[in-house]
Amino acid sequence: QKEVEQDPGPLSVPEGAIVSLNCTYSNSAFQYFMWYRQYSRKGPELLMYTYSSGNKEDGRFTAQVDKSSKYISLFIRDSQPSDSATYLCAMNDRGSTLGRLYFGRGTQLTVWP
Amino acid sequence: DTGVSQDPRHKITKRGQNVTFRCDPISEHNRLYWYRQTLGQGPEFLTYFQNEAQLEKSRLLSDRFSAERPKGSFSTLEIQRTEQGDSAMYLCASSRIFGDGYTFGSGTRLTVV
Repeated sequence: QKEVEQDPGPLSVPEGAIVSLNCTYSNSAFQYFMWYRQYSRKGPELLMYTYSSGNKEDGRFTAQVDKSSKYISLFIRDSQPSDSATYLCAMNDRGSTLGRLYFGRGTQLTVWP
Repeated sequence: DTGVSQDPRHKITKRGQNVTFRCDPISEHNRLYWYRQTLGQGPEFLTYFQNEAQLEKSRLLSDRFSAERPKGSFSTLEIQRTEQGDSAMYLCASSRIFGDGYTFGSGTRLTVV
């Protein structure tokens, strides 16, 4: 069993839809959670990060962490065709000192006009 | 801040040859990371440096792989006696010691034929 599990999709939604992306993890020591977006043939770019259980909002994006269930989510509101990309969850057991990150395999999202 | 730069962008090599990749991090970032990503998978950790010191290496980093960061600035990743299974995207990232997340480069795509 991998330490971070993520459904690879693909996920296809119409423009304007609410998108829900999820990851589960097995290591209870994980304390710092991130979401990256990766366009084809590009490096990942950081979207959001959060430490604790609860919600964090940034524009159209909301990150949610439930440590008791070892489950994290990313919600995208009013999705746009430019949101079409692969979304990677990442986490570590060292907090803001970063170090090694453990990534999910990514969920491929397509938003069609 | 010109971002993380990786060179070359693409490399095609014959099995058994040695290859070397270069990464130039963001200048004020102390930490530099190498990851490998294959199609449909998330990035897998290889190694990371803090300044010139190599702090952690993955078991994935066999004795055919070596990474250096001699002056705490740019880094090189060398793969000796390449195998077809080495075909992947090699991603470099950098960060501060305490930070929100990594900044990734666009990667070097290696194809071993």
